[in-house]
Amino acid sequence: KNQVEQSPQSLIILEGKNCTLQCNYTVSPFSNLRWYKQDTGRGPVSLTIMTFSENTKSNGRYTATLDADTKQSSLHITASQLSDSASYICVVSHTLYGNNRLAFGKGNQVVVIP
Amino acid sequence: NAGVTQTPKFQVLKTGQSMTLQCAQDMNHEYMSWYRQDPGMGLRLIHYSVGAGITDQGEVPNGYNVSRSTTEDFPLRLLSAAPSQTSVYFCASSMGTGKANYGYTFGSGTRLTVV
Repeated sequence: KNQVEQSPQSLIILEGKNCTLQCNYTVSPFSNLRWYKQDTGRGPVSLTIMTFSENTKSNGRYTATLDADTKQSSLHITASQLSDSASYICVVSHTLYGNNRLAFGKGNQVVVIP
Repeated sequence: NAGVTQTPKFQVLKTGQSMTLQCAQDMNHEYMSWYRQDPGMGLRLIHYSVGAGITDQGEVPNGYNVSRSTTEDFPLRLLSAAPSQTSVYFCASSMGTGKANYGYTFGSGTRLTVV
C-alpha cells in the first residue's frame, strides 16, 4: 500500500486560474514533507520543505500547507502559468532503522492551457 | 556548480547485456542515491550511500550493484539487463542523511530500455 496518496491524479486548468493539489500520508515517524515539481523529461526540483512545526510555506506562486495531526498537505498554485504544466510530487521524509528515507507519491499531473 | 550529472541520457540494451549508469555531483554531498521511476508509481529507492566506501540496499535492489569509491561519484551497474529494468533512473544527492531537513538534488535522469 502506498504510504503517500495524491489527488487528483491529473487536472487541466486555464492559464491564470488557481488550483490546489492534495497529499495524504500514513508514513511514520514523520520528519518532514516536501513538494517537488517535475517537468517532462527532467528530474524533480524542490519547491518546499516543511517540518512538523510548520503549517505553511510559500515559494513564489506556490504555497504548501501541512496538517501533521491529520497527516494532510496541500499545494496551492496561484495565477497559473503555462510553465506550471508538470507533475507535482509529494514526498514524506521518515526514519527507517535509523536512516532517513523518502516516501514518494505518484504525483499530480497538471496541464495549464491558454 | 553543475549539481548532479547523469550519463547517458538515453540507452537501449539487449536482454543480458551489462552497463553502468554514471552519476557525479560537485556539491560535496555525503549522501547519494539511485531511484527508478515507472509509469503510475512513485520513485523507488534502489541503492544509497552515506559516504565514500559505504553503500546499502534500498527498496528494490535486485539486479543492481553500486560502489562509492569517491565522494563525487556513485555509479549504478546492471550486470545482466532484463526487460523489467526498463525505466527512468534518477540519481539524487543530499548534504547529510542524518540532517533530514536538507534538500535533495536530482539529476536529469537516464531513460533505459531493455529489449
